[in-house]
Amino acid sequence: NAGVTQTPKFQVLKTGQSMTLQCAQDMNHNSMYWYRQDPGMGLRLIYYSASEGTTDKGEVPNGYNVSRLNKREFSLRLESAAPSQTSVYFCASSGGRDKSDTQYFGPGTRLTVL
Amino acid sequence: AQKITQTQPGMFVQEKEAVTLDCTYDTSDQSYGLFWYKQPSSGEMIFLIYQGSYDEQNATEGRYSLNFQKARKSANLVISASQLGDSAMYFCAMSRDYNFNKFYFGSGTKLNVKP
Repeated sequence: NAGVTQTPKFQVLKTGQSMTLQCAQDMNHNSMYWYRQDPGMGLRLIYYSASEGTTDKGEVPNGYNVSRLNKREFSLRLESAAPSQTSVYFCASSGGRDKSDTQYFGPGTRLTVL
Repeated sequence: AQKITQTQPGMFVQEKEAVTLDCTYDTSDQSYGLFWYKQPSSGEMIFLIYQGSYDEQNATEGRYSLNFQKARKSANLVISASQLGDSAMYFCAMSRDYNFNKFYFGSGTKLNVKP
């Protein structure tokens, strides 16, 4: 049982380049999330998807786009990367039924923008 | 606005002793959930324990317990009999009944367990 998987694990971009971070879950979860984690800070929600076909902004959505491709997959796209987007990105999923539903996290993608 | 505060950036504990990691939260909601996650140096986020705001008993999971004081808006994590493998970052998080998909995370506490 893989849980939540993310690709790639590491990525280096130049300013202005674009890329897509991929995430997939095999737990039949309804909700999926993208977070970023910066040094000295907790996780901040970028976007989430409460169900297939829906997406909503989180705390820090600027500079990002997302696609909920199907129930399993949720991708995060950086159209024009900036150094401020250097961070560790985590994908997560949950049952999405109520406040007690735990979010389960992928291993993270470490992104550096030069 | 919802806010989670973890005031201890770093802590040390002797192996086999108990340690308490502090978490306070700020919300006007009556119904919410509180979570603790562990992040080892390898980077993954591991769920430890959950407490609902209406739960009368403090949550326990093995060596982890949550000291929930609703009136003080605190949800401290207690780790009993610390082990070297407990050295990690620990994050407190809150969910709301109103929009349970939005988790709010604290800035974390780095715990070092000394042999």
